[in-house]
Amino acid sequence: AQTVTQSQPEMSVQEAETVTLSCTYDTSESDYYLFWYKQPPSRQMILVIRQEAYKQQNATENRFSVNFQKAAKSFSLKISDSQLGDAAMYFCALTQGAQKLVFGQGTRLTINP
Amino acid sequence: DADVTQTPRNRITKTGKRIMLECSQTKGHDRMYWYRQDPGLGLRLIYYSFDVKDINKGEISDGYSVSRQAQAKFSLSLESAIPNQTALYFCATSDSGTGISDTQYFGPGTRLTVL
Repeated sequence: AQTVTQSQPEMSVQEAETVTLSCTYDTSESDYYLFWYKQPPSRQMILVIRQEAYKQQNATENRFSVNFQKAAKSFSLKISDSQLGDAAMYFCALTQGAQKLVFGQGTRLTINP
Repeated sequence: DADVTQTPRNRITKTGKRIMLECSQTKGHDRMYWYRQDPGLGLRLIYYSFDVKDINKGEISDGYSVSRQAQAKFSLSLESAIPNQTALYFCATSDSGTGISDTQYFGPGTRLTVL
């Protein structure tokens, strides 16, 4: 069975600083995709970044980047120059094929002004 | 305009009532999903559909049913609601026709409370 674990229930960072959210996963598949979703207080699930397992290069989207360590089954999210609007729950998710997303428990990120 | 819409956005009902949650999308995607979110548990899959004639159970389908009325519409029903079905419900879509077929896009969610 596929599992996703986020070991940090809560994190906080000063505005303009950098923060890293951790995620580990387990799957027996060699071809899969990993995602980070953001859920602000509005409760909308917003795609932040995506990584294909077959790509060695880490994905980046503006201030968001990942550190994908396939052998270690680790997929962390780095947010640079944190902004107040980054405050949200962040979910790591794993999919194989199109059948379902398996989510972690989430990390609540607070940005301190 | 939102690409994935859900109605209602909030609903309070009583134990034993039948409830239908609706999802519509204008993204042209063929695959649709229903998830449930409980505090501390992340999202869990209830049902998914790869096209109008294809419906599949997810990990927590007991007590729920679905209907795929058209490619753009996917409804979730609770035949007889019970309090532990109180949760936030999300619809999602994905597109099998592109190289990013595994990316799912979510609706705004429906908060359901069963008293």
